[in-house]
Amino acid sequence: DAMVIQNPRYQVTQFGKPVTLSCSQTLNHNVMYWYQQKSSQAPKLLFHYYDKDFNNEADTPDNFQSRRPNTSFCFLDIRSPGLGDAAMYLCATGGRFTDTQYFGPGTRLTVL
Amino acid sequence: GQQLNQSPQSMFIQEGEDVSMNCTSSSIFNTWLWYKQDPGEGPVLLIALYKAGELTSNGRLTAQFGITRKDSFLNISASIPSDVGIYFCAGPRYSGGGADGLTFGKGTHLIIQP
Repeated sequence: DAMVIQNPRYQVTQFGKPVTLSCSQTLNHNVMYWYQQKSSQAPKLLFHYYDKDFNNEADTPDNFQSRRPNTSFCFLDIRSPGLGDAAMYLCATGGRFTDTQYFGPGTRLTVL
Repeated sequence: GQQLNQSPQSMFIQEGEDVSMNCTSSSIFNTWLWYKQDPGEGPVLLIALYKAGELTSNGRLTAQFGITRKDSFLNISASIPSDVGIYFCAGPRYSGGGADGLTFGKGTHLIIQP
């Protein structure tokens, strides 16, 4: 039944050690989004894909990259995690010209 | 850019009470979305509003899209323990290419006292 799946649900990494978070969807939506959510804050958009077209937010650090190999999957790569990157990372999907977005359960990232 | 002002920031209520929260914006939105987020989980869509003046219900939840298109409210009637969580309002951003992400309010943290 799960429509937006994120793996792993919890990820622990060391300062500076690259990490990859995974998102998959069964909704066949052509837009996939990555948000960062820090404690007691609202989600903040990092970037999104329209199909294979990548759209970066102006204030997203270069440390954050993304890949979308096909419609179903999207990855968030953090090249050199810092302590300030510890957060919940949320993947969402939606239609290109529809307003509603559907979120996955998130991946909680801890940086030691 | 667009900003959403959500209030109250937190609510402490007794089980069975009704709840009301709202969002306002300095700019017009064509859609208002209300999400609920449980601890350690992703936001879940509760209600989507697409038309100014629209009043929509989902069980004990009722939401309205303000006439000016700059505000929305969410009401929860007869609260129960599983209503605890953070409620976010959100509105879509657009670029020439289509939907561009959501702008979120800061959330209303609902706490139910026994």
